[in-house]
Amino acid sequence: QVQLVESGGGLVKPGGSLRLSCAASGFSFNDYYMTWIRQSPGKEVEWVSNISPGGGVMNHADSVKGRFTISRDNAKNSLYLEMNSLRVEDTALYHCARQWLPSGPLEYWGQGTLVTVSS
Amino acid sequence: VLTQSPDFQSVTPKEKVTITCRASQNIDTYLHWYQLKPDQSPKLLIKYASQSFSGVPSRFSGSGSGTDFALTINGLEAEDAATYYCHQTRGLQGAFGQGTKVEVK
Repeated sequence: QVQLVESGGGLVKPGGSLRLSCAASGFSFNDYYMTWIRQSPGKEVEWVSNISPGGGVMNHADSVKGRFTISRDNAKNSLYLEMNSLRVEDTALYHCARQWLPSGPLEYWGQGTLVTVSS
Repeated sequence: VLTQSPDFQSVTPKEKVTITCRASQNIDTYLHWYQLKPDQSPKLLIKYASQSFSGVPSRFSGSGSGTDFALTINGLEAEDAATYYCHQTRGLQGAFGQGTKVEVK
């Protein structure tokens, strides 16, 4: 069965950095777009970034552009999110999810990893 | 921008629930619905406005196109207590509605 397991979250000070990981199993990872989505404490859900199956095309939300970078390692069935210059408003539960097409639904999600940005 | 209605609904089991989602511009049928519960992986319920996703109970259905969409739960069950979100993928950056929390009385 499809499994997505996020890790790497934690407490970090404003201006700090974190690297999130998403381990995928149960499907052919290199056939799918992969996406990061976050849910804030106020329950707002926001699309963060996505990446093409081969890793050559990446898109980021305006709110994180220039600070976050999505990447993947198809040999390791893993997705990453490098987060720099973190802000208090980046505090959220971060989920990875699988998409067949960027215009398609988020078919399967992980349970999420919590990022807290606070001094 | 996606606007859901209502923000909160408290419903008796077996009742019918309807949640609406309005888009600020035409998104054809690039509209999907998810169920989010605390400490669980979010689940896709409906894709492309009206297509049920694999394994989703038949009491969940979706309708609409263009700018107006709806998610219907026919015969609410206790396990349906959750927050429901619509999500559009017409644009390069997908956007979500603000969520509708459904409480089962």
